[in-house]
Amino acid sequence: GAGVSQSPSNKVTEKGKDVELRCDPISGHTALYWYRQSLGQGLEFLIYFQGNSAPDKSGLPSDRFSAERTGGSVSTLTIQRTQQEDSAVYLCASSLFPGDRGYTFGSGTRLTVV
Amino acid sequence: KQEVTQIPAALSVPEGENLVLNCSFTDSAIYNLQWFRQDPGKGLTSLLLIQSSQREQTSGRLNASLDKSSGRSTLYIAASQPGDSATYLCAVSGGAQKLVFGQGTRLTINP
Repeated sequence: GAGVSQSPSNKVTEKGKDVELRCDPISGHTALYWYRQSLGQGLEFLIYFQGNSAPDKSGLPSDRFSAERTGGSVSTLTIQRTQQEDSAVYLCASSLFPGDRGYTFGSGTRLTVV
Repeated sequence: KQEVTQIPAALSVPEGENLVLNCSFTDSAIYNLQWFRQDPGKGLTSLLLIQSSQREQTSGRLNASLDKSSGRSTLYIAASQPGDSATYLCAVSGGAQKLVFGQGTRLTINP
């Protein structure tokens, strides 16, 4: 596609429920990243995919968070048993080759846990 | 561990002024540095990307410089306009293939 697409744009969920956030990167971009932006905070790295593998998962805050990528394209970030502190904007970015092209970000999913 | 700092945290100037936003980073072993703009409730828009071997990049009224050895970058905005009001984020990429962001500078241009 022309840009990085994320869905849903907004999600309100009850504490304890599981949620899935989707990212559709730019076609042909092999690198995909998830970041989190909490209210008043900077952007926090979560996980990086190169193709379908995740060489760097160091930013996932707990084992309730997981992510996968299939076909070298779409990625899903899953949060199990959501907590109120999970409320944030979750941003996805993709890159053809980080050193040359930089990163293109999606518009994000705003997650609110009530 | 790479740390990125942006100064000032907020800036308010009258329309038409030239201004400079500052970014510093602790580890000079970076691959590139990127400036982004974020409007309220929106994602990030890439403004300028500077490779580690470059000194500056220009796009329209924007000019970004990079001094890797001193761990500094500046974003210069000429002839500011109300539409420039946004949060500006600086991010560096190192060998870990991930971006480390500063906290951002919230810019307000007053008509």
